[in-house]
Amino acid sequence: TQLLEQSPQFLSIQEGENLTVYCNSSSVFSSLQWYRQEPGEGPVLLVTVVTGGEVKKLKRLTFQFGDARKDSSLHITAAQTGDTGLYLCAGAQDMRFGAGTRLTVKP
Amino acid sequence: DTGVSQDPRHKITKRGQNVTFRCDPISEHNRLYWYRQTLGQGPEFLTYFQNEAQLEKSRLLSDRFSAERPKGSFSTLEIQRTEQGDSAMYLCASSLSAGQGAGANVLTFGAGSRLTVL
Repeated sequence: TQLLEQSPQFLSIQEGENLTVYCNSSSVFSSLQWYRQEPGEGPVLLVTVVTGGEVKKLKRLTFQFGDARKDSSLHITAAQTGDTGLYLCAGAQDMRFGAGTRLTVKP
Repeated sequence: DTGVSQDPRHKITKRGQNVTFRCDPISEHNRLYWYRQTLGQGPEFLTYFQNEAQLEKSRLLSDRFSAERPKGSFSTLEIQRTEQGDSAMYLCASSLSAGQGAGANVLTFGAGSRLTVL
């Protein structure tokens, strides 16, 4: 099993600020996924990154996969209250999740 | 298809009782996963099926936990002799396996079954 460490564990910011959260491992992943989970619901896929160095954008969210495919980051520009949630990364082969980053965006 | 359905959404039971959760996956998905999630944590892998075969089971899963997917469609997760430490959200997810088409290895989750053991 490939372990994923996510940081920070908690993040509380004001609306309009930028932020970056991280997903790190000592193992190489063929691909990684990012999910967002809102209270009372299951996680929902945001993106899958496959190629080392890959950058994917989803509106204000930018996902990067490390060159060595051991880490990934999620950057949110001009955060909105609707971005509040638990952000999870997962290995796309073994479907194991990190502990997540709980983001709170205050108005 | 209405997505992944889980039943019941909430279950309160007394310590020592048995409970069973049901998951109905997306019909064309051949893989089905069970996870446990406690407050503030990410989903913890329990087990997964490909069609009716249980291919992997977490070493953290005690013998009190058993899962079945008898016809390769719906699945049940049973917890025998529940303990207070079993209190958690139990999440089910389904997906296509690699090579089965677009969306392979993308998990679609149900809303979960929340268990409270008193």
